[in-house]
Amino acid sequence: NAGVTQTPKFQVLKTGQSMTLQCAQDMNHNSMYWYRQDPGMGLRLIYYSASEGTTDKGEVPNGYNVSRLNKREFSLRLESAAPSQTSVYFCASLDRATGELFFGEGSRLTVL
Amino acid sequence: LAKTTQPISMDSYEGQEVNITCSHNNIATNDYITWYQQFPSQGPRFIIQGYKTKVTNEVASLFIPADRKSSTLSLPRVSLSDTAVYYCLVGSYGGSQGNLIFGKGTKLSVKP
Repeated sequence: NAGVTQTPKFQVLKTGQSMTLQCAQDMNHNSMYWYRQDPGMGLRLIYYSASEGTTDKGEVPNGYNVSRLNKREFSLRLESAAPSQTSVYFCASLDRATGELFFGEGSRLTVL
Repeated sequence: LAKTTQPISMDSYEGQEVNITCSHNNIATNDYITWYQQFPSQGPRFIIQGYKTKVTNEVASLFIPADRKSSTLSLPRVSLSDTAVYYCLVGSYGGSQGNLIFGKGTKLSVKP
């Protein structure tokens, strides 16, 4: 039972480069989320997807794009990475029946 | 969206009971209150959830007064392994509602 799987776990980028963070869940959940967590700080919502085919902005969407490819997968793309996007990124999916969020292990991104 | 306020940090000693209070003055009728625990370099994990009065599970209790404008997470007899950041999350989970915003969390340090 994998739960929420994120790839890659670590990534170093140069300013201006692009990359995509992948997230997949095997729990048949409708809602999925992307959060970022800066060192010593709380989680901030970037984007979320309430169901397949829909996405909505969270607190800090600037500089990011998302794709809900299917019910399982929700990807986060940085088109032109900036040092301010250095952070740990967490993907989560929501069990609506219980209200419990299930988180992945995180993707640690450094932008030089 | 219900905004939450928690103490930034708390200290305790092993074997003591710890109570962490969260303020959520504009909680909506359909909102539930959920608490998460996060260890360094890991995603948050669910601890307990409630709507009103008191909820208890094998690791914690959650007290919610009648006006629901605050909630208190109670951890009985803490140990060193309870050192973590605790987040209070308020939101509804049905339908298309999905904008789940975390507060800044409370860093609990348990000392021997």
